[in-house]
Amino acid sequence: GAVVSQHPSRVICKSGTSVKIECRSLDFQATTMFWYRQFPKQSLMLMATSNEGSKATYEQGVEKDKFLINHASLTLSTLTVTSAHPEDSSFYICSAPAGTGYEQYFGPGTRLTVT
Amino acid sequence: GENVEQHPSTLSVQEGDSAVIKCTYSDSASNYFPWYKQELGKGPQLIIDIRSNVGEKKDQRIAVTLNKTAKHFSLHITETQPEDSAVYFCAARSTGGFKTIFGAGTRLFVKA
Repeated sequence: GAVVSQHPSRVICKSGTSVKIECRSLDFQATTMFWYRQFPKQSLMLMATSNEGSKATYEQGVEKDKFLINHASLTLSTLTVTSAHPEDSSFYICSAPAGTGYEQYFGPGTRLTVT
Repeated sequence: GENVEQHPSTLSVQEGDSAVIKCTYSDSASNYFPWYKQELGKGPQLIIDIRSNVGEKKDQRIAVTLNKTAKHFSLHITETQPEDSAVYFCAARSTGGFKTIFGAGTRLFVKA
């Protein structure tokens, strides 16, 4: 299957700082990538759809000014959590469609802890 | 809106037994149904999927069945092993839509 990587895998930051998470498709190109947030023992919540060359599409209730998404190339999307607060602590996962376009491959996730 | 319900939320089986996880979906336009396995601290891994033009698909110990009329689909794991212990998510996606709707997840425990 297709491989999606994320960096960093784990990050701890102080309240009020910003954190950038990278999502890369390693062996395929992705014009679209998805960003999810997952709380402990819960399902994946779609935050936004990242589009190469255009603005991201955010889900209802997700603050676009707080969660900045940039799809810089066909293999890289970044999520920046701005002015992070403890309630932003979560597991953030990206994914990208590959193959026929239906199959979605996930990155390993990034554990963000805001102190 | 679109919804995918998944049951049970927790499933405990003895090693070697079978495990069945069931999902229902609400959007009749859904035509692609993947299943993901998520181990602790990792991202979900696609383990099997099925399209709406097929009623059943099998890959070694894993099989998925789909009943479009009833809007049901199920994951069957036979001869379970301790390494099958994980959280399993079903999902549904519609033609032309990029969004994948996920079920709430099933935590599977396989006891040795």
